[in-house]
Amino acid sequence: DGGITQSPKYLFRKEGQNVTLSCEQNLNHDAMYWYRQDPGQGLRLIYYSQIVNDFQKGDIAEGYSVSREKKESFPLTVTSAQKNPTAFYLCASSTPNRDQPQHFGDGTRLSIL
Amino acid sequence: AQSVAQPEDQVNVAEGNPLTVKCTYSVSGNPYLFWYVQYPNRGLQFLLKYITGDNLVKGSYGFEAEFNKSQTSFHLKKPSALVSDSALYFCAVRDSRTGANNLFFGTGTRLTVIP
Repeated sequence: DGGITQSPKYLFRKEGQNVTLSCEQNLNHDAMYWYRQDPGQGLRLIYYSQIVNDFQKGDIAEGYSVSREKKESFPLTVTSAQKNPTAFYLCASSTPNRDQPQHFGDGTRLSIL
Repeated sequence: AQSVAQPEDQVNVAEGNPLTVKCTYSVSGNPYLFWYVQYPNRGLQFLLKYITGDNLVKGSYGFEAEFNKSQTSFHLKKPSALVSDSALYFCAVRDSRTGANNLFFGTGTRLTVIP
């Protein structure tokens, strides 16, 4: 079945450590997105990529970095500069067509040790 | 600017009763509107969308939504609620023609169906 796979499901970060969250899709979608979800705040866009080797900052990009070297993959690195990284992180993908929905993975929950 | 408002953080309804989850939107042009559902520790699942045509759209699991252009609303409805409908619901919008292709999400409404 086609879909989006996020790994790991749970991740713990130590102070001063960078961690990378994986997102892989086999839907052949051009666009991919990273969101952060905090209770009561809905989804906030971190980074998005409309095409391979190109990406743009979203609303809360500070302390995060991404790469898009392959169409299928859009990893997110949470750097030590992100002072409050505890959250649920969701990856999504979509076609370029505006009338189509985004498809989501099952998320990674990041906590601080 | 594009935005979505979900005015109710929490909606409680008795099993078997009709349910409504409210959503209003703001876009400069014509809207494309989406509803998603999220179960605990899971991603968002697409329920339904309004693109054009009939104002009443039907989606998964018996849900439907009514588009009202004059009130800029897109409320989610179901004639008879099930306990298994208890979840977090998100409304989202994007402009049909201009601006970035991103979706703008509301803050979510937690639906609890009481047995």
